[in-house]
Amino acid sequence: KNEVEQSPQNLTAQEGEFITINCSYSVGISALHWLQQHPGGGIVSLFMLSSGKKKHGRLIATINIQEKHSSLHITASHPRDSAVYICAVRGADGLTFGKGTHLIIQP
Amino acid sequence: SAVISQKPSRDICQRGTSLTIQCQVDSQVTMMFWYRQQPGQSLTLIATANQGSEATYESGFVIDKFPISRPNLTFSTLTVSNMSPEDSSIYLCSVRTGGATNEKLFFGSGTQLSVL
Repeated sequence: KNEVEQSPQNLTAQEGEFITINCSYSVGISALHWLQQHPGGGIVSLFMLSSGKKKHGRLIATINIQEKHSSLHITASHPRDSAVYICAVRGADGLTFGKGTHLIIQP
Repeated sequence: SAVISQKPSRDICQRGTSLTIQCQVDSQVTMMFWYRQQPGQSLTLIATANQGSEATYESGFVIDKFPISRPNLTFSTLTVSNMSPEDSSIYLCSVRTGGATNEKLFFGSGTQLSVL
């Protein structure tokens, strides 16, 4: 069973700061997803990664398959980025989710 | 792409009652997934709903407690039966598109359930 750990659990930053959220997993995977959950519960997919790096607007996601680690970066953070960010990995036994990182960006 | 409409968005229920959550997808999908997210915890898969067959439940979840219907390729319901305060959670439905190299995940807006 894959173990997915996210850090930090909680992060409060000022508007404009560069944000990094980390995800580590224990067993080899075929894909890793970064998800965003807003208050109320709805979840939006941000990225799917199987290798390398992806960029979308101010969001950048990287993955190191050998080290079993991924990072999500937010540049020029904004209060509207405040949300819970969830890492999910696709392994042989299906999808395993991390507990999420609760991000608050203060103006 | 897939857009999922989930309702209700929230409800407060009395112990011992049941609540049915509905999810409507704007495209036909083979499998729909139902998740539970307890406070401070990660998403846990309850069951996978296939059209035309019984849902497949994960360990720790049973059909009597969480009956699921899947009458067609765009719709599914999850019922939380004989509720207790421990059932207070966010419930989400989800679908996926694509294959191993281009998988995309889509989720409903979630149902926040509080049981008194």
